[in-house]
Amino acid sequence: QSALTQPRSVSGSPGQSVTISCTGTSSDVGGYNFVSWYQQHPGKAPKLMIYDVTRRPSGVPDRFSGSQSGNTASLTISGLQAEDEADYYCCSYAGSFTFYVFGTGTEVTVL
Amino acid sequence: QVQLVESGGGVVQPGRSLRLSCAASGFTFSDYTMYWVRQAPGKGLEWVAVISYDGKNRYYADSVKGRFTISRDNSKNSLYLQMNSLRPEDTAVYYCATCTNGVCHFFDSWGQGTLVTVSS
Repeated sequence: QSALTQPRSVSGSPGQSVTISCTGTSSDVGGYNFVSWYQQHPGKAPKLMIYDVTRRPSGVPDRFSGSQSGNTASLTISGLQAEDEADYYCCSYAGSFTFYVFGTGTEVTVL
Repeated sequence: QVQLVESGGGVVQPGRSLRLSCAASGFTFSDYTMYWVRQAPGKGLEWVAVISYDGKNRYYADSVKGRFTISRDNSKNSLYLQMNSLRPEDTAVYYCATCTNGVCHFFDSWGQGTLVTVSS
């Protein structure tokens, strides 16, 4: 199972919006509504930001939103803040044998 | 709140074995599926293994199948990963993770990770 494809990096100025794409196949992203997104700061464990494509855990700012179209999911960060600078990974359920596949990761830089 | 604490990492020679542990607290451990996820230095996340709440069902990534064994002891609130025939490409930070939000396909709680280095 190949990793989901994400852009290596995206950047934006404070207050701007950035969108990270996550492209898979009909066997993972396109086959289920089970895409999740994780934020990871250097040396830290990943933190859940979005689950089931669009749902946001309590405590995650509403600046973070998720969407999906076909085999591509997206994470949008609106009103970019300095603390949003981190690596972001998507993840999709891929069935009862492969289970989970992660994305290649995207570094978000706040200019 | 949910707490997961991994231990057992270290430096090991290729071909040798290592056993990781994850101590869980703050939730009813025996009710939930548990996972191991790893991250090679400077690389992305990789799902490694999953075990059902009762330990009866276990599944592995192709990259570790036949070499790694996931297990749990619900009486001790502990998760384990027995790693045999280790290879340099197994070098990574190993995280235990779970989802305590009912039946779910995501990871809402993570440990801090333990580093495994496979090198001669």
